[in-house]
Amino acid sequence: QSALTQPASVSGSPGQSITISCVGTSSDVGAYNSVSWFQQHPGKAPKLMIYEVTNRPSGVSERFSGSQSGNTASLTISGLQTEDEADYYCSSCTSSGICLFGGGTKLTVL
Amino acid sequence: EVQLVESGGGLMKPGGSLRLSCAVSGITFSAAWMSWVRQAPGKGLEWIGRIKSKGGGGTTDYAAPVKGRFSISRDDSESTLYLQMNGLKMEDTALYFCVWMNRVTTPGYWGQGALVTVSS
Repeated sequence: QSALTQPASVSGSPGQSITISCVGTSSDVGAYNSVSWFQQHPGKAPKLMIYEVTNRPSGVSERFSGSQSGNTASLTISGLQTEDEADYYCSSCTSSGICLFGGGTKLTVL
Repeated sequence: EVQLVESGGGLMKPGGSLRLSCAVSGITFSAAWMSWVRQAPGKGLEWIGRIKSKGGGGTTDYAAPVKGRFSISRDDSESTLYLQMNGLKMEDTALYFCVWMNRVTTPGYWGQGALVTVSS
């Protein structure tokens, strides 16, 4: 299976909102309400930011939100902060725990 | 507190074998579905395999690039996950993360990774 498709990079200014897309197919993203989003700072392990499309784990800022329409999932970060600058990855996992990741998006906060 | 600590990484020659371990604490490991995910230098995340809990059947599934060469196992008595890597190739060079699927469809908790370098 091919990786999910994400834009290579996005950018925004502090205080602005940005959206990162994650495009899959009807066999992965569109088949399950299972898209997760991860934030990864350089040299660090990925951190779960959104699970099951729209849910935030405890401790994750409300500025992070997720949505999905058909085969495309999206991560929106509102009120951008400098510490949001990182790489972001989406994933889609089947009900058997077989997963596919997106290629990653580098967020630059200008 | 959930902790996942990988070990066993190193420098290997092509064709060699290596076993990674992941010591897990803070969860009921025997009930946990676990995955391995890798990240080549400067590249994105790649899911490489999953093992279900024994109660879930204990079965494994692998991504195509590693199927037949890598195998995942577990020791519930030691709360430890393993990744046996055989027939290593240069393209297996990566940071290997141990991941707890805290929900079946969610890679929720990650270790810090073990670096495997394959070079002649």
